[in-house]
Amino acid sequence: GDSVTQMEGPVTLSEEAFLTINCTYTATGYPSLFWYVQYPGEGLQLLLKATKADDKGSNKGFEATYRKETTSFHLEKGSVQVSDSAVYFCALKGGGGNKLTFGTGTQLKVEL
Amino acid sequence: GAGVSQSPSNKVTEKGKDVELRCDPISGHTALYWYRQRLGQGLEFLIYFQGNSAPDKSGLPSDRFSAERTGESVSTLTIQRTQQEDSAVYLCASSLGELIPRGDTQYFGPGTRLTVL
Repeated sequence: GDSVTQMEGPVTLSEEAFLTINCTYTATGYPSLFWYVQYPGEGLQLLLKATKADDKGSNKGFEATYRKETTSFHLEKGSVQVSDSAVYFCALKGGGGNKLTFGTGTQLKVEL
Repeated sequence: GAGVSQSPSNKVTEKGKDVELRCDPISGHTALYWYRQRLGQGLEFLIYFQGNSAPDKSGLPSDRFSAERTGESVSTLTIQRTQQEDSAVYLCASSLGELIPRGDTQYFGPGTRLTVL
């Protein structure tokens, strides 16, 4: 079945540091890929998405590129801020279905 | 416009009792999903509705779990004879559904935190 593997947290960075959160997937067909973010005390929000190979999703300075050859969708940001502290979830929607399959989440803490 | 809403926000119950969790999707969204998030884990899919029918119930963990949706709107997730392992945050999401199948974005509610004592 479909699965998503993302790097274990927590990740602690200093403000303005570069962020990478790795995500790889296993899926049949051609999935769509998503990053969701959960800020403290809030619900899940879509951060960005990509629906086909080589697509780049971007939002709020975050980017992720759909790499079919490496089955990856790594999340990056050039300069993180304290306000980026949250839990980040990588997810996929399989080509033949509607449900989202999530990774276990990566907690990011950004310090001054 | 209004987002997905869920009630109650918190529910504490005793083992063996039944509970009902409610979800109000975004108006006009034909697809509705239930997920479960246990402490320190990712989200687990439970059930998917398209309109009032449930073409995918594959994530329901046991026959104690059931869900229904009426009027292509409100959905209720019912857990009978609750067990301690049912303690989790139950999340509802909605989307435009089959009208935009690929990359269809799911919008999540704030969740119901269920604690079974």
